[in-house]
Amino acid sequence: QQPVQSPQAVILREGEDAVINCSSSKALYSVHWYRQKHGEAPVFLMILLKGGEQKGHEKISASFNEKKQQSSLYLTASQLSYSGTYFCGTEPLIAGNNRKLIWGLGTSLAVNP
Amino acid sequence: DTAVSQTPKYLVTQMGNDKSIKCEQNLGHDTMYWYKQDSKKFLKIMFSYNNKELIINETVPNRFSPKSPDKAHLNLHINSLELGDSAVYFCASSQGYSNQPQHFGDGTRLSIL
Repeated sequence: QQPVQSPQAVILREGEDAVINCSSSKALYSVHWYRQKHGEAPVFLMILLKGGEQKGHEKISASFNEKKQQSSLYLTASQLSYSGTYFCGTEPLIAGNNRKLIWGLGTSLAVNP
Repeated sequence: DTAVSQTPKYLVTQMGNDKSIKCEQNLGHDTMYWYKQDSKKFLKIMFSYNNKELIINETVPNRFSPKSPDKAHLNLHINSLELGDSAVYFCASSQGYSNQPQHFGDGTRLSIL
């Protein structure tokens, strides 16, 4: 089951903050976040493994609520370079070794001057 | 040094033709993937190999056949190309297949005339 990302799109002015959410209907092992700029490949941002874990990457951080099967990506003081499509990928808690990422549909973020 | 490299970058061909895309990674990773990204940006996993063994084989037409001659290479052969095959195909690699960041190649833009 595909995770649901919200919002689908967001437009910011430089310096504003944004939150992107990723919700799954399945119990999760981990949540991955990637950013893809137009015409480029997705680039890894961070992985969150445990309930309530929060990680940071420059001014981008994320949290993972294991009980709610949700993750949120926080972008603070946005920069023009933050523009792109943000994808969450979820690893469900399943038996066996073949865990695979199930990707959300992405959130398009545009940062304007 | 390019970490994950795909060739060709662009592929324009006619319906019914057979084509191959090559992928090589120099990161020393043991797991490689093929993804298809359509015009709506959805990232769909197609195949994954771990140590040359096929571990993910999604519902993909059997016209698509992956081949991994060694851990550093994963090729994709497509027979009898159809209009719906037009997309960007990304190769990615990771060390292990769970909880590991995936490194993507620049993509191969396939256009079917």
